[in-house]
Amino acid sequence: AQSVTQLDSQVPVFEEAPVELRCNYSSSVSVYLFWYVQYPNQGLQLLLKYLSGSTLVKGINGFEAEFNKSQTSFHLRKPSVHISDTAEYFCAVMLTGGGNKLTFGTGTQLKVEL
Amino acid sequence: GAGVSQSPSNKVTEKGKDVELRCDPISGHTALYWYRQRLGQGLEFLIYFQGNSAPDKSGLPSDRFSAERTGESVSTLTIQRTQQEDSAVYLCASSSSMNTGELFFGEGSRLTVL
Repeated sequence: AQSVTQLDSQVPVFEEAPVELRCNYSSSVSVYLFWYVQYPNQGLQLLLKYLSGSTLVKGINGFEAEFNKSQTSFHLRKPSVHISDTAEYFCAVMLTGGGNKLTFGTGTQLKVEL
Repeated sequence: GAGVSQSPSNKVTEKGKDVELRCDPISGHTALYWYRQRLGQGLEFLIYFQGNSAPDKSGLPSDRFSAERTGESVSTLTIQRTQQEDSAVYLCASSSSMNTGELFFGEGSRLTVL
């Protein structure tokens, strides 16, 4: 069975600083990878996804993530964060072989401070 | 509205009572998911409906949990004889077959079992 590990439960960062939110996955078969974001008092929404092709994917709000198959990682990065990026970020995987079930990590709370 | 709608947004109940949570997916979305989010934990998959196929119930934690979906519309998650460990936010999501892994989430139903 597939699983997702987000090692950092909380990441504090100052505004305009770069940030990296880590995600590692485990699966015996190939997977699709996703990052979702949950802003305060809102539902989760898709930030970006990797299905195939270029391992560097760009999402909304200036975020990007890189799929590294050898390290089974899909870390999320932003070169300069804004206060409005304060939210909870979830990494997720889906098996490519069928079924549309997403397995989520435990989430990382990004807190951007002035 | 155009998004996924869930009701009630908040439910407080006594241990042993039954509860029903409702989800209205986005019109035209063939897939519907229920997830559970306990405090400080990731999203836990409960059940997945895809069109007229048999639902994937592999995530239901016990036989006290059940869910139904009428065609490609409304779904109801029922928890019988609620226990305190059932306290969580129950999230519903829907998706179309056109966009792999892009789930549209509702804002959730927060269940508190006293």
